[in-house]
Amino acid sequence: SQKIEQNSEALNIQEGKTATLTCNYTNYSPAYLQWYRQDPGRGPVFLLLIRENEKEKRKERLKVTFDTTLKQSLFHITASQPADSATYLCAFNQAGTALIFGKGTTLSVSS
Amino acid sequence: DTEVTQTPKHLVMGMTNKKSLKCEQHMGHRAMYWYKQKAKKPPELMFVYSYEKLSINESVPSRFSPECPNSSLLNLHLHALQPEDSALYLCASSQGTSGVVLDTQYFGPGTRLTVL
Repeated sequence: SQKIEQNSEALNIQEGKTATLTCNYTNYSPAYLQWYRQDPGRGPVFLLLIRENEKEKRKERLKVTFDTTLKQSLFHITASQPADSATYLCAFNQAGTALIFGKGTTLSVSS
Repeated sequence: DTEVTQTPKHLVMGMTNKKSLKCEQHMGHRAMYWYKQKAKKPPELMFVYSYEKLSINESVPSRFSPECPNSSLLNLHLHALQPEDSALYLCASSQGTSGVVLDTQYFGPGTRLTVL
């Protein structure tokens, strides 16, 4: 069956550093990947979408890459701030249904 | 208006109660979703409505009954729930005009449900 994995449950970094989160998928070739941010007790918020024919997408301090050979997406936050602390979810479309989400990586940025 | 609203924010119910969760969006979206999320887990899809018709039911027990009265509203009727149904219930919407699988989703803040 299709699987999506975010290989770190938690990531702790210092303010100002670049955070890199990883999302891997198996047994499927999604047409695109999405990244969402979720704060505790709140619904996820859409951040970025990247299609299979795009290598990289940027939005302000955020960057997403999509490597269909490695079956992997990387999500980068540059110049990280304590306000970036949250859980980040990757998601992709599954044939015949809607998005399925990875388990998420909880990022903690300390000042 | 880019907001999805959900009521109530919190709900405590007994196993014999009947209650409903409500969701509303005014973005003109034609697809609406219910998700269930347990602590430290990703959202799990329950139902998808496309153009007010139920298009996906992810084998959800019949004690959960969705309803889409119109394109802006989505309800989830609850009856005879179990304690393990306690979770955050999220509603989402998307444009839904090019196939639900291609859509970015807008989530509401969720209803925190506790079943005693």
